Amino acid sequence: DAGVIQSPRHEVTEMGQEVTLRCKPISGHDYLFWYRQTMMRGLELLIYFNNNVPIDDSGMPEDRFSAKMPNASFSTLKIQPSEPRDSAVYFCASSYQPTLFFGPGTRLTVL
Amino acid sequence: EDQVTQSPEALRLQEGESSSLNCSYTVSGLRGLFWYRQDPGKGPEFLFTLYSAGEEKEKERLKATLTKKESFLHITAPKPEDSATYLCAVQDPAGQGAQKLVFGQGTRLTINP
Repeated sequence: DAGVIQSPRHEVTEMGQEVTLRCKPISGHDYLFWYRQTMMRGLELLIYFNNNVPIDDSGMPEDRFSAKMPNASFSTLKIQPSEPRDSAVYFCASSYQPTLFFGPGTRLTVL
Repeated sequence: EDQVTQSPEALRLQEGESSSLNCSYTVSGLRGLFWYRQDPGKGPEFLFTLYSAGEEKEKERLKATLTKKESFLHITAPKPEDSATYLCAVQDPAGQGAQKLVFGQGTRLTINP
């Protein structure tokens, strides 16, 4: 298995632009998570899905953030409009048992 | 309030110098405690899961232990390739489906040759 796949790996954009991050979970995993990592706040859970249904989005910072999971093999995290404080590494993770398997992350820089 | 606190924030050791990393937690009714390793520019990589006080898990030079209030990651005779950030996480008791993990800030470990 290729593991969790994320794209793009790096994204540089200007404030106000829309950003879409993509994730392909490990086949057979029924949970998918979006985390954000910064030096100041560490790893923070944004939202997670079970069988493609959003279960807990209490970590989504603002209405500018939205996430979808249209099928078991694909999820997106969208930020619109983006702001400099959104700069961070965004990780997607999937699991079948309690153990989470993380992707390589997307490093987002908002200028 | 902080549910997971890791110490120290950073630790520098000489190759072969054994030590321990600490993870203290405040959640009641622990359902699982996890250790991950994170290398620069990569996602966290799973190491261990512990479920009950007294449980121990080992992998190469690493051994994780669990008490009712904290977990330790013991590193025996470390090598430079053990340099990484080590993250501890607990399952959020309020999380549905027992899947939600809350992470500590991590310990950045550097092993000098």
